[in-house]
Amino acid sequence: DTGVSQDPRHKITKRGQNVTFRCDPISEHNRLYWYRQTLGQGPEFLTYFQNEAQLEKSRLLSDRFSAERPKGSFSTLEIQRTEQGDSAMYLCASSQDRGMDYGYTFGSGTRLTVV
Amino acid sequence: AQSVTQLGSHVSVSEGALVLLRCNYSSSVPPYLFWYVQYPNQGLQLLLKYTSAATLVKGINGFEAEFKKSETSFHLTKPSAHMSDAAEYFCAVSRGSRLTFGEGTQLTVNP
Repeated sequence: DTGVSQDPRHKITKRGQNVTFRCDPISEHNRLYWYRQTLGQGPEFLTYFQNEAQLEKSRLLSDRFSAERPKGSFSTLEIQRTEQGDSAMYLCASSQDRGMDYGYTFGSGTRLTVV
Repeated sequence: AQSVTQLGSHVSVSEGALVLLRCNYSSSVPPYLFWYVQYPNQGLQLLLKYTSAATLVKGINGFEAEFKKSETSFHLTKPSAHMSDAAEYFCAVSRGSRLTFGEGTQLTVNP
């Protein structure tokens, strides 16, 4: 068990470009979550999957954002036509069913800078 | 709606002194509460969680927190601060499958 892995750790992109992040959860965890954290703030929920099904999306997840978990294992988060306001740390977490009982394990995050 | 409020965005203590980080929650149902620690440019590490069992919860690195329903609080404490405790700490409440975080408290430990 190597924990939750996120790739890349850092991404610098020009405004208007598309970016994609990857998250590999703990293998026995069937739930996977994406959060966004801006400087000086706590993380904010974006979306979560149970296996391959995307069960909940925050209103923060605009039309430019899409997340997938095609085989119920790793997940990708894509941001199209990036804007400077998208600059943030994107955190992935995973849990067993009932994460509230067992806790949520977070990855180290992907820091996105849009210039 | 469930939410948490962390009182004090910055707390500074001397090495060896008591650490007290405050968190108050708002919840219409019995809450599940968590404390996480974040070191610079890192993800979040779970310190401890309250899941309606014992009201005094012990976590890693000598931290503990007490759930007080009458005060709607879940404050984090550690008897003696170490330099390695310097980090940002987040209180969170679980609503369904999502966590709602407070704005965080930056802990500074002075030698």
